Amino acid sequence: NAGVTQTPKFRVLKTGQSMTLLCAQDMNHEYMYWYRQDPGMGLRLIHYSVGEGTTAKGEVPDGYNVSRLKKQNFLLGLESAAPSQTSVYFCASSYSRRVTDTQYFGPGTRLTVL
Amino acid sequence: RKEVEQDPGPFNVPEGATVAFNCTYSNSASQSFFWYRQDCRKEPKLLMSVYSSGNEDGRFTAQLNRASQYISLLIRDSKLSDSATYLCVVNTDQSGGYNKLIFGAGTRLAVHP
Repeated sequence: NAGVTQTPKFRVLKTGQSMTLLCAQDMNHEYMYWYRQDPGMGLRLIHYSVGEGTTAKGEVPDGYNVSRLKKQNFLLGLESAAPSQTSVYFCASSYSRRVTDTQYFGPGTRLTVL
Repeated sequence: RKEVEQDPGPFNVPEGATVAFNCTYSNSASQSFFWYRQDCRKEPKLLMSVYSSGNEDGRFTAQLNRASQYISLLIRDSKLSDSATYLCVVNTDQSGGYNKLIFGAGTRLAVHP
């Protein structure tokens, strides 16, 4: 049971390049989330999914797109990377949306946009 | 104003010390409260939930004061391995249909020999 995994772990992009971050979970969780973490700020929700085939915007969705074609995978895309997207990206999953449910996080992807 | 506010620290304490962190939240409708721990360059992991009556898990004690919208974490007999950033996390509402967590920026703890 690997939990939540993310690929890649590190990436450096040039402004304008595109890339996709992959998140995978093997816990059969319905809910999946993408966050970004910046210095001095709490984690902020980018997009989330409440089940296979569904996605929705979070707090800071601009510049990102997501897809959830399979229940276990949640992809985060940057179509045209900008330096403001330099951040650490965490994927998380939870079984349900109950207030007591724990969100389990992946190890993170460190992205630098030059 | 941030929805969840924490003192960023760092708190530098010797081994064996008792240390307390505080956190305030702005949304009085918040329903659930948690402390997460985040080690340097790692993912956040749930440390403990915080219940209205207060709760304890070994050396860790969490308290909630809904009237003052205040959460605390007390660590007794600090260990070197407790060095980390502690994130205060609040679940606000589910009107968006998902488990909405609001994260504080974290309080950094450094325990030294």
